[in-house]
Amino acid sequence: ETGVTQSPTHLIKTRGQQVTLRCSSQSGHNTVSWYQQALGQGPQFIFQYYREEENGRGNFPPRFSGLQFPNYSSELNVNALELDDSALYLCASSLGGGVRQNTEAFFGQGTRLTVV
Amino acid sequence: AQSVTQLGSHVSVSEGALVLLRCNYSSSVPPYLFWYVQYPNQGLQLLLKYTSAATLVKGINGFEAEFKKSETSFHLTKPSAHMSDAAEYFCAVSSSAAGNKLTFGGGTRVLVKP
Repeated sequence: ETGVTQSPTHLIKTRGQQVTLRCSSQSGHNTVSWYQQALGQGPQFIFQYYREEENGRGNFPPRFSGLQFPNYSSELNVNALELDDSALYLCASSLGGGVRQNTEAFFGQGTRLTVV
Repeated sequence: AQSVTQLGSHVSVSEGALVLLRCNYSSSVPPYLFWYVQYPNQGLQLLLKYTSAATLVKGINGFEAEFKKSETSFHLTKPSAHMSDAAEYFCAVSSSAAGNKLTFGGGTRVLVKP
């Protein structure tokens, strides 16, 4: 079991609503990445936060946004939910930025979002 | 740009038989390559990674993978399958040795028959 925790584990939202997912990174890690894993597919990179700043973004619309806090925990916010946003959302924490990058990214167990 | 192709979305093997999962990558920069395993309703666990130190990489649970630049491949093998190997396996590529901003393949689900 990694030190990365995500909450909630499951939730159901209605189309058009907004949702916030949370991730606590592993102790000592300063980088959090978020991924969307649709059913039967591989995870897709949404964005990464390093020291509270966005540090790279995948091919996702602006209604996907995030935050990273001084303790390096992170939130993923999705506005105007669509049915296709139903997926497992994974976060991964790692140590990055100017240091010898020999640490791996540790994944949380994910939040399963269902949009109805 | 980077991409990963995993050949075969499902693989069925008998317990004790060889497990071979295929992964081909495309990368415009020297790649770092990873294999992850995902058990039902869980996150991803790193099996092994290639970071240019050695082309044959040994990982956890008896898995290993060989990086072949000429074939742009990073196939995963295990000599003898165990029932506990039933899971989904993902190959991924990154420009970072730490595995940041990973690009994943579509995954291969492994079924192990007794």
